Amino acid sequence: GAVVSQHPSWVICKSGTSVKIECRSLDFQATTMFWYRQFPKQSLMLMATSNEGSKATYEQGVEKDKFLINHASLTLSTLTVTSAHPEDSSFYICSAKTGGDYNEQFFGPGTRLTVL
Amino acid sequence: GQNIDQPTEMTATEGAIVQINCTYQTSGFNGLFWYQQHAGEAPTFLSYNVLDGLEEKGRFSSFLSRSKGYSYLLLKELQMKDSASYLCAVMDSNYQLIWGAGTKLIIKP
Repeated sequence: GAVVSQHPSWVICKSGTSVKIECRSLDFQATTMFWYRQFPKQSLMLMATSNEGSKATYEQGVEKDKFLINHASLTLSTLTVTSAHPEDSSFYICSAKTGGDYNEQFFGPGTRLTVL
Repeated sequence: GQNIDQPTEMTATEGAIVQINCTYQTSGFNGLFWYQQHAGEAPTFLSYNVLDGLEEKGRFSSFLSRSKGYSYLLLKELQMKDSASYLCAVMDSNYQLIWGAGTKLIIKP
């Protein structure tokens, strides 16, 4: 149980275009979803936390108008990278957390974004 | 500030034992996680410690000392497939995960 999927697995796009990444919890309801970015040989960097039905909370330094997050249901969150540039090329990973006391986050397989 | 320290890289031999240490300073504590991450893949959960002591799960064990702000991940009977990065993460008082930079473990035959 506790499977999280992401789509697409990888995407190549031209500079200036927008890319949408989907994160789904397949067998549980995720009250909270997290979006991370990971550059090569670096650790995970939390970009934003989203709770179903409310606005995402962005970490300092993350542009909310550039990285649009929508968490419309308990099983789906989307991250849209608007007007992507080569410096946005990275590995984007989502994770989901159920409610309750246990604090484990379940990670999606990640999306490799390359902006040309 | 909040800080998680772990060694950048370690090398061990197939069949041996290796211990990866993690020290932390965070605003509050709601548990410590260890994750394994193979290159190009997302992290996978290994262990969760919230009380002091040793948690054993097959070939992997994790230890926590809250008073010392210290944890270690112990890997026994190392296999080549254990070559990966091992990430230490602490959940702070706001239930946010604070991540270490990860330890790259290289297993040699």
